Amino acid sequence: NAGVTQTPKFRILKIGQSMTLQCAQDMNHNYMYWYRQDPGMGLKLIYYSVGAGITDKGEVPNGYNVSRSTTEDFPLRLELAAPSQTSVYFCASSPIDEDISYEQYFGPGTRLTVT
Amino acid sequence: DQQVKQNSPSLSVQEGRISILNCDYTNSMFDYFLWYKKYPAEGPTFLISISSIKDKNEDGRFTVFLNKSAKHLSLHIVPSQPGDSAVYFCAASESQGAQKLVFGQGTRLTINP
Repeated sequence: NAGVTQTPKFRILKIGQSMTLQCAQDMNHNYMYWYRQDPGMGLKLIYYSVGAGITDKGEVPNGYNVSRSTTEDFPLRLELAAPSQTSVYFCASSPIDEDISYEQYFGPGTRLTVT
Repeated sequence: DQQVKQNSPSLSVQEGRISILNCDYTNSMFDYFLWYKKYPAEGPTFLISISSIKDKNEDGRFTVFLNKSAKHLSLHIVPSQPGDSAVYFCAASESQGAQKLVFGQGTRLTINP
């Protein structure tokens, strides 16, 4: 299993440009999440999904959109990039676990700079 | 409003000694707590967790203690090894719903040989 994969690893955007951060998992997990990590800070939840076709906002959703058409993929869309969106973005997934372990499996991250 | 706080940005410990990382939370609805470890340029990896019905959970060199009345948890690493040098994040979740995690700011642990 590749686990959680993210592309691209790095990206520089100009203000006002758009892009999609890709995330895929091959573990058949129902739950998927997008977090951002700013320097010296913890991870903050942007959006999450409990299954294909179901998404919901997290703590910091403004400026982002998501979709979940399949169990495997959970892309994050930035429509009008702003310098405040300069961050490292992590995608994660977790199974519906009867033991409720809450462990989430993270991808390697995408480092985005908006200038 | 920071619901999960790690007040020590960094900690330096000698190899072989005990490392103690602390975490405080304010939301009394949290009932599951996790520690993640993160190396540079990698995603966080799960280390250990504890449910609010317990006050201690051990896994090898790692032990997590939970004090619900004080809304405080700690991670003990014994003995500390150079490979433990990383950033450690405390995270918390409510048991209802989609397992959304709220993270602390992280503590950078450095193990000195």
